[in-house]
Amino acid sequence: DGGITQSPKYLFRKEGQNVTLSCEQNLNHDAMYWYRQDPGQGLRLIYYSQIVNDFQKGDIAEGYSVSREKKESFPLTVTSAQKNPTAFYLCASSQGGRGYNEQFFGPGTRLTVL
Amino acid sequence: RKEVEQDPGPFNVPEGATVAFNCTYSNSASQSFFWYRQDCRKEPKLLMSVYSSGNEDGRFTAQLNRASQYISLLIRDSKLSDSATYLCVVGSGGSNYKLTFGKGTLLTVNP
Repeated sequence: DGGITQSPKYLFRKEGQNVTLSCEQNLNHDAMYWYRQDPGQGLRLIYYSQIVNDFQKGDIAEGYSVSREKKESFPLTVTSAQKNPTAFYLCASSQGGRGYNEQFFGPGTRLTVL
Repeated sequence: RKEVEQDPGPFNVPEGATVAFNCTYSNSASQSFFWYRQDCRKEPKLLMSVYSSGNEDGRFTAQLNRASQYISLLIRDSKLSDSATYLCVVGSGGSNYKLTFGKGTLLTVNP
């Protein structure tokens, strides 16, 4: 079955630690995205990638980093520079191109900083 | 004006009721429009795309008014399973794949 997987589902981090969230898709989509969702807030775009080996900052990229070495993978690292990292992190992908930018989401990772 | 603004809600309706969600967007160059549904502590899932001519999928009807920069979603004969948060989503289109999400409106359908 085609889809998007994220791991882990829950992640606990001590302050000052970097953590990496995994996102894999087998939909053969060109574009991938990372969002953050806080209670009562809409989804906010962290980073996105339209093609392998290329990515752009979204609206709230500070304290995060990404890589796109393979089409199917787009890991997100939450660094110690991120001041308030506790949130629900969602990865998405889309086929890209005009009229094809519906995005499909993975199940998410809940990150809690202790 | 916020990029995408939705009714704040929440909405509480009885089973069988008709409920309408409204959304406005600020970027007149927006090209694509969607409604997503998000269940509690789950990921958003695409409910339907919204076209200028309006579109219907069973009990769900979506409308787009480009002149007023307004999108709506109508749910008829609501079911308990319709309880969720409904997200209005607007795409900038072209070569920019960015989608902008509203904060969502929570719907609870009561027996």
